[in-house]
This record gives sequence, C-alpha cells and structure tokens, in this order.
Amino acid sequence: AQSVSQHNHHVILSEAASLELGCNYSYGGTVNLFWYVQYPGQHLQLLLKYFSGDPLVKGIKGFEAEFIKSKFSFNLRKPSVQWSDTAEYFCAVQPAGNNRKLIWGLGTSLAVNP
Amino acid sequence: GAGVSQTPSNKVTEKGKYVELRCDPISGHTALYWYRQSLGQGPEFLIYFQGTGAADDSGLPNDRFFAVRPEGSVSTLKIQRTERGDSAVYLCASSPIPTGELFFGEGSRLTVL
Repeated sequence: AQSVSQHNHHVILSEAASLELGCNYSYGGTVNLFWYVQYPGQHLQLLLKYFSGDPLVKGIKGFEAEFIKSKFSFNLRKPSVQWSDTAEYFCAVQPAGNNRKLIWGLGTSLAVNP
Repeated sequence: GAGVSQTPSNKVTEKGKYVELRCDPISGHTALYWYRQSLGQGPEFLIYFQGTGAADDSGLPNDRFFAVRPEGSVSTLKIQRTERGDSAVYLCASSPIPTGELFFGEGSRLTVL
C-alpha cells in the first residue's frame, strides 16, 4: 500500500539552528510532492510543492526541499529556524495521474525555543 | 470570504445522532475535498468533488457518511447514527483545478459523546 513516512514526530530546536525533516514515501511511479504546515490555531497551508524539473524547490519563509528519486525522499530544510516556525509539518504525496487523493504522513511537531 | 469557510467550528453530539458539517469553498474553485484528521494523524481522504459530482468517494468509511455539493459550490458532509469513533476534525479544502495544491478551511471539530 502507498504510504508516507515522516521520521521525526517531535523536534525541539533553538532559534538559529538548522532544520531537516525527513519524508519518505512508498510508490514506484511518478509522484507530486508537498509539504504543508499548520501553525498553532490556524489551518493547513501549502509550504512548497514539487511537480517536475529542478529537484530542489524553494517555498515560503525560507524553506526548501529536495526530491531524491532514488531514495524516494522529499526532505524539508531550513538553514536557520525562528520561533515563528513552531508548527506541525506534514509531508504529502500524490501519485501522478491521481488528481484526487493526497497520501499524508503523520506529521512532525516542531517547537522552536527563543 | 477570502478563504474556505467551515461551520460549525465545533460540534458536540451524542452517539446515534445525525450531524451535518458545511463547507463554503473559495469562489471559483471547482474541486472540493473532505478530509478527516484524528489526533496525532495526518489528514485522511474522504471524498472529492469536481463541480457538482462526487468524482471519488472511496474514502468514506461506511454508508453512514454522505456528502453533497448540489450547486457546485457549498458542500455538506452528513453523518448518520454517529459513533464515538467518528470524533475527529473534519477538514474541507478547495482547489481551482484538481491538483494537490489545496486551500484548507479551519476544520469542524466533531465530538461524539
């Protein structure tokens, strides 16, 4: 069955630390890849997406993610986190040609201490 | 409004009761999705509308769940004979075209006692 695995469920960092959140998926075909973020008390919103082309994609607020096809991974990175990055981060995968379902990871809760 | 609107934001009901949850998508968005999210989980797909029709309802857990979108805009998720296991946050999302780039509402938190 198709699945998405986020390696870290809870991450605690100090401001200015670097961030990398892992995401791996199990699907052999072409995929579209997403990271969504949910700030405390707010709705889910798109952080960045990959459809095709340059495997290094840049999103909002200084986040980036790299698609490594051979590793079935789409890890999220940020060089220097801020307190305002405290949120829940979800990786989601959409098998190409399936314009309906996103398959979601369980999420990673990030707490950034000031 | 500018975003996806969901009502009610919170609903507490008793086991066995009927519940309706409403979603008002972003104007002009033809694709509408319902997801369900339990504590500590990612969103779970329920149903997808393209226009007025349910293009994929394979995520509805059983026949107690039903959703409509009669005019291709507002959608209602209906749950009959609610069970405690139905307690979750029900998320609605819309998209101008059916891609994975979704615009979410704030969700309706359903608690079944």
